[in-house]
Amino acid sequence: GQNIDQPTEMTATEGAIVQINCTYQTSGFNGLFWYQQHAGEAPTFLSYNVLDGLEEKGRFSSFLSRSKGYSYLLLKELQMKDSASYLCAVMDSNYQLIWGAGTKLIIKP
Amino acid sequence: GAVVSQHPSRVICKSGTSVKIECRSLDFQATTMFWYRQFPKKSLMLMATSNEGSKATYEQGVEKDKFLINHASLTLSTLTVTSAHPEDSSFYICSARDSATSGDTGELFFGEGSRLTVL
Repeated sequence: GQNIDQPTEMTATEGAIVQINCTYQTSGFNGLFWYQQHAGEAPTFLSYNVLDGLEEKGRFSSFLSRSKGYSYLLLKELQMKDSASYLCAVMDSNYQLIWGAGTKLIIKP
Repeated sequence: GAVVSQHPSRVICKSGTSVKIECRSLDFQATTMFWYRQFPKKSLMLMATSNEGSKATYEQGVEKDKFLINHASLTLSTLTVTSAHPEDSSFYICSARDSATSGDTGELFFGEGSRLTVL
């Protein structure tokens, strides 16, 4: 079956760096997405990786290794507003998005 | 970026009534829109894929007669929860892909979500 795994919850300190991992097993691969979702709100797009390597976008970076079925989202210079759930999603061979359960990130002062 | 508007953001209704949720792409055309349901502390669950001018494609386990989807134009899809019951209370979210710029591998743009509470 298709499966996306990511940690349920992580805690980090304001100003620090945190890495949220995502591993996947899907039927085919057409890219991996990271979304941020604040409580009670819809997800917002953060990044899209389809080739191996690191994509940097400001304080956020996303890494992909297709051979390992692995991605991570790296958040630098953490701010309190970064407290949210981070969803990993993989687009399979049918261009359907398979969603992870999300990682709740708690930022402490 | 592209904007998807969802309305209403919150709705409370009595058990047995029907509720319609609208999803509009404001500055782009979307031949395909997606409807999700999200339970507390759970991931998004795809309910159906809404196709402009044709019938929606429902995921396994989703009742077609319960959740009516209409995609009458390239900018509007509606989800109607018929004869709502308390167990239908949830956060419903729509999304769309700007086919003109993103193709099949582009990012999804999400509506703001609609929180339905059935009393």
